[in-house]
Amino acid sequence: DAKTTQPNSMESNEEEPVHLPCNHSTISGTDYIHWYRQLPSQGPEYVIHGLTSNVNNRMASLAIAEDRKSSTLILHRATLRDAAVYYCIPGAGSYQLTFGKGTKLSVIP
Amino acid sequence: NAGVTQTPKFRVLKTGQSMTLLCAQDMNHEYMYWYRQDPGMGLRLIHYSVGEGTTAKGEVPDGYNVSRLKKQNFLLGLESAAPSQTSVYFCASSYSVIRAGEQYFGPGTRLTVT
Repeated sequence: DAKTTQPNSMESNEEEPVHLPCNHSTISGTDYIHWYRQLPSQGPEYVIHGLTSNVNNRMASLAIAEDRKSSTLILHRATLRDAAVYYCIPGAGSYQLTFGKGTKLSVIP
Repeated sequence: NAGVTQTPKFRVLKTGQSMTLLCAQDMNHEYMYWYRQDPGMGLRLIHYSVGEGTTAKGEVPDGYNVSRLKKQNFLLGLESAAPSQTSVYFCASSYSVIRAGEQYFGPGTRLTVT
């Protein structure tokens, strides 16, 4: 699996956009990039995934660099409910999701 | 739909006792997984199943056994609990190999072994 680098923590003001970065420079050509989040005392929750093109869904947008060595999860308007640990997981097309330590997002009212 | 449910939510065991954690999903998913999460750490895969009657080892399988007798259920057993197995256990499921990275998780079981 590709190694990932994410900031340990980030802060955002409520109702402002948030850009969560992830570096995955060793990603292979067929690896998808999945993002999950884990709210306090809950199980992880699937957010979005992509391969090469940018992707949007009701929760977030995923911007993938042209060389695929990095990606950015975009929350368009952060809410208090978005405070969570966000995990970037490249190579999650097989059975095992390799969770690192992720980025802890704090949302300030 | 209930999604993925786990029973029990909390449990305290003494060293050497045994127990079974039950995971159930109502999404007709083929694949099911058991993970553990230790404080401040990411999740680690214990065992997984790619279909009814099949199981396979994940990253940290020692001390655990699993069974998948019915498609909707995946059981995790601890035959002789040890303090090192104190953790939060999460079950997950996914459709198939094409969407194996899109997993749906249960709420977790918090297990303490004293």
